[in-house]
Amino acid sequence: GNSVTQMEGPVTLSEEAFLTINCTYTATGYPSLFWYVQYPGEGLQLLLKATKADDKGSNKGFEATYRKETTSFHLEKGSVQVSDSAVYFCALSGYGSNDYKLSFGAGTTVTVRA
Amino acid sequence: DGGITQSPKYLFRKEGQNVTLSCEQNLNHDAMYWYRQDPGQGLRLIYYSQIVNDFQKGDIAEGYSVSREKKESFPLTVTSAQKNPTAFYLCASTKRAGEVNTQYFGPGTRLTVL
Repeated sequence: GNSVTQMEGPVTLSEEAFLTINCTYTATGYPSLFWYVQYPGEGLQLLLKATKADDKGSNKGFEATYRKETTSFHLEKGSVQVSDSAVYFCALSGYGSNDYKLSFGAGTTVTVRA
Repeated sequence: DGGITQSPKYLFRKEGQNVTLSCEQNLNHDAMYWYRQDPGQGLRLIYYSQIVNDFQKGDIAEGYSVSREKKESFPLTVTSAQKNPTAFYLCASTKRAGEVNTQYFGPGTRLTVL
């Protein structure tokens, strides 16, 4: 079945530091890949997505590239802010049949200090 | 503004009681989902519904029940059979079932069993 493995946290950074959160996946076919962000006490918000190999998703300074050869979708941001403190979830949605449900990683808690 | 609403935001239940969590969407989405989130874990799928009057079990359906009598509404009942119901519950929806779509999430309901 489909599964997602992401870097364990927590991750603590200083403002303006570089952030990388690793995400690898196992899936059959051609899944779509997502990064969601959850701020304290809230639901999840879509951060970015990529639907095919070599696609790059980007939003709010975050980027992730769909690498089929390494089955990865690592999240990066060049200069984090305190407001980026949140839990980040990598997820995939299968392709074909009824396998369109989202499978989530365990989440990575990121804290950015001023 | 379109979106997903969940109520209540906080819910307390005594052991042995059934409780119902509300989820409403005005996005005209076909598919709706219920997830459970526990600390330090990813989201786990409880139930999902692709169309009105139809729903399927997810990965952890035991102790839960749902209904989908209207397109806009997908309430979740946590029954007394659920052994460990204290968790954060998230409702989501997508435009169409059977396709790869972005899932949009509500703000969540935090259920605590006293």
